[in-house]
Amino acid sequence: LAKTTQPISMDSYEGQEVNITCSHNNIATNDYITWYQQFPSQGPRFIIQGYKTKVTNEVASLFIPADRKSSTLSLPRVSLSDTAVYYCLVGDIVRGGSASKIIFGSGTRLSIRP
Amino acid sequence: ETGVTQTPRHLVMGMTNKKSLKCEQHLGHNAMYWYKQSAKKPLELMFVYNFKEQTENNSVPSRFSPECPNSSHLFLHLHTLQPEDSALYLCASSQDSQAYEQYFGPGTRLTVT
Repeated sequence: LAKTTQPISMDSYEGQEVNITCSHNNIATNDYITWYQQFPSQGPRFIIQGYKTKVTNEVASLFIPADRKSSTLSLPRVSLSDTAVYYCLVGDIVRGGSASKIIFGSGTRLSIRP
Repeated sequence: ETGVTQTPRHLVMGMTNKKSLKCEQHLGHNAMYWYKQSAKKPLELMFVYNFKEQTENNSVPSRFSPECPNSSHLFLHLHTLQPEDSALYLCASSQDSQAYEQYFGPGTRLTVT
């Protein structure tokens, strides 16, 4: 199982771009990288998923270098409502993979200030 | 609206009680999950059901008993729990059990006294 390492916490201000990096040195060939967001006392919410290079959606961008040993979640122009815990997950979603590979680590607690 | 609902939202029970948590998904998904989230701990996957069949049991104590009567409903039956079982219990669903895009419910905050 690919283990992930993220900063425990980060602080930023409204209107700034925030980049959260996740390390996954032993990522396997078939592994995808997925990010979730969780607000207090709520379930996590899927943000974005990628395999390599760059993925962008209406919420965030995901940058993955060629060696895929890390990934960076980029949140453009954050607001107070982006204060949450962000989880990086790495695993195999090719048919035949196991749901038990879905491991949420400790995540990164992002605090946005006015 | 996530499409996944859980009831009750809050539950306080004694150690000798029997209670059940209910989860319902309106997304047409085939896989459903139970997670436990204790204070300041990562989410722990407890059970996975795919097409109503249990495919994962991550060494969960027998005092937690899941039931999946159909692909839209998932229950977690609780009996003789311990205070350390107090946590947020989250239900999730996905297209199938290999899908990493899971949709989570709001959770049930359980307190065992």
